[in-house]
Amino acid sequence: KNEVEQSPQNLTAQEGEFITINCSYSVGISALHWLQQHPGGGIVSLFMLSSGKKKHGRLIATINIQEKHSSLHITASHPRDSAVYICAVRELGGGADGLTFGKGTHLIIQP
Amino acid sequence: DVKVTQSSRYLVKRTGEKVFLECVQDMDHENMFWYRQDPGLGLRLIYFSYDVKMKEKGDIPEGYSVSREKKERFSLILESASTNQTSMYLCASSPYSNSPLHFGNGTRLTVT
Repeated sequence: KNEVEQSPQNLTAQEGEFITINCSYSVGISALHWLQQHPGGGIVSLFMLSSGKKKHGRLIATINIQEKHSSLHITASHPRDSAVYICAVRELGGGADGLTFGKGTHLIIQP
Repeated sequence: DVKVTQSSRYLVKRTGEKVFLECVQDMDHENMFWYRQDPGLGLRLIYFSYDVKMKEKGDIPEGYSVSREKKERFSLILESASTNQTSMYLCASSPYSNSPLHFGNGTRLTVT
């Protein structure tokens, strides 16, 4: 089974800073997901990617398949970006549910 | 927009009670999932279903059962609640295997 490691576990930054959250995994995958969970519980899917880079607004996700590593970047961070960010991977040949989740990165953006 | 609705945000039950957690999705998704989320452990899959009346065990099915009588509804049942089932429970759905998940807002269950 894939092992998914996220770093850092906790991150506090000032508004406007550039944020990077990292995710590494141990076994080949077909896709990697980045999820966002706000206080209160609901989880939103931000990106699903299998190669290269995706951008949505101030969020950018990259993946390096050879190095088994992905990063989530937030530009011009804002207090509303404060949330837990979760990385999840689907292994090659994974069935209806082959997702393995990281433990999450707790991000706090201070005004 | 896909909506996944969980019937309760907060629930307090006593040890030994039978507990039903309900989840409804409105986008005709094939797959539905129940996860629990605990501090330091991340999301763990309890059960999933890829079709009506079909169910598959996830990583931690012990102490739980599920029911999917209709495509839009997936219920999680705790036959006899125990204190170690105190957790956040999250329901999710997806249209096909390799697609993003759509999550409900979660149910925070406390068993006393």
